[in-house]
Formats: sequence, structure tokens, C-alpha cells
Amino acid sequence: DTAVSQTPKYLVTQMGNDKSIKCEQNLGHDTMYWYKQDSKKFLKIMFSYNNKELIINETVPNRFSPKSPDKAHLNLHINSLELGDSAVYFCASRGTSGSYEQYFGPGTRLTVT
Amino acid sequence: DAKTTQPNSMESNEEEPVHLPCNHSTISGTDYIHWYRQLPSQGPEYVIHGLTSNVNNRMASLAIAEDRKSSTLILHRATLRDAAVYYCILRDSGAGNMLTFGGGTRLMVKP
Repeated sequence: DTAVSQTPKYLVTQMGNDKSIKCEQNLGHDTMYWYKQDSKKFLKIMFSYNNKELIINETVPNRFSPKSPDKAHLNLHINSLELGDSAVYFCASRGTSGSYEQYFGPGTRLTVT
Repeated sequence: DAKTTQPNSMESNEEEPVHLPCNHSTISGTDYIHWYRQLPSQGPEYVIHGLTSNVNNRMASLAIAEDRKSSTLILHRATLRDAAVYYCILRDSGAGNMLTFGGGTRLMVKP
């Protein structure tokens, strides 16, 4: 079973559209994250949720809205997509053990045309 | 945020040891040193972490300088599957324990 899964794997859409990316983890973790990896391959934290509550919201346009219906899911909804939103988006989760190891999903490649 | 500096790329021969350096001169006393790697077209994967003492696990070893201003990830026998970007990260123990990724080192392994 995949520990952290994301759907879809690829997403091609036009500017101005609204789209969602789903993330699910079956590890029983309390904390989940969204990261964005741009064309230069830099990975940047976007959001962090702990037990369905927002903990961190980095400088992200408010067109991006995370939603956590339960501890195992953290979805990312993006309104009014722009060309600059094209990137690979990774979901991750973390347990509360001492290592604080994060488990990443396979990524969703978003292309805005 | 404490930052890390790594070489952009390194090359290694298959089945030889690889030493990946990382400088973190502004590390604070409570920052843990984490290493992740990202294989092509995959999400990052945890490798190892430490605070002050050297650490070993099934994937690698982590050697931490006595002053903690640098560390080295050691792959004892590089394989072609170890070709990846390796990130040295100082874990922020504040809210969310978030990871701040830098540019990483692209490791190329030659057969």
C-alpha cells in the first residue's frame, strides 16, 4: 500500500480554471504538508496542517486553499490558475515519533497553459 | 532560518564510497541535521538525521563535525540507484517542524 498518495499525477489545464489536488496518507500521522517544486527544482513549503488545523501558511496567494476533511486527507484547491502555478506539488506527512521523518507523495505535475 | 551550503553536483563510480559535504555555519543548538534525497521523478525520501553524534542506518552514515558547523553524508558503496539530488536540511523545531530545502547536491554515479 502506498503510504502517501496523490491524485491526479498529471494535471493540464488552462489559465483561469479552478482545480484540486487530493492527498491521502494511511500512516496514521497527525501532520500533513504541501510543498511546491518549481522549474528550478527548489522545494518550498506552502502549508502545514496538524490534526486538521492550519499550522503554517507560508507566503502563498490566497488563490490556494488547503482543506483537511480528516486527519488522513489534505487537499489543495487552486482558484484562477496562472501560468506561474505550473510546478510539481508534493504532499507529505509526519508522525510524532522522535525522528520527525516526513513521508512524501509521488507528486502532481500541474501544467497551466 | 539556518541555511545550508552544498556543492551543486558530484560524481562517483559505482561501488565506491561517496562523501557528500554540507556546511551549516549558522546552526543553532537545537537544530537537527536531516538528509533527504530525491530520485528522478519521485518525491523526496528521508535518508538520515542527527543532532551531535555520528549516526548510521541501513542507507547511509552521517558524520557531524564537533562544532556542528558541517556534516557529511556517507554512502558506503554507491549504486546506480543512488543517483539523486541529496538535500541537507536543518529542521526547524518550531511550529510545524517544517523542512526548508536548499538546492541540494546532484549525485551522478558512473558504472
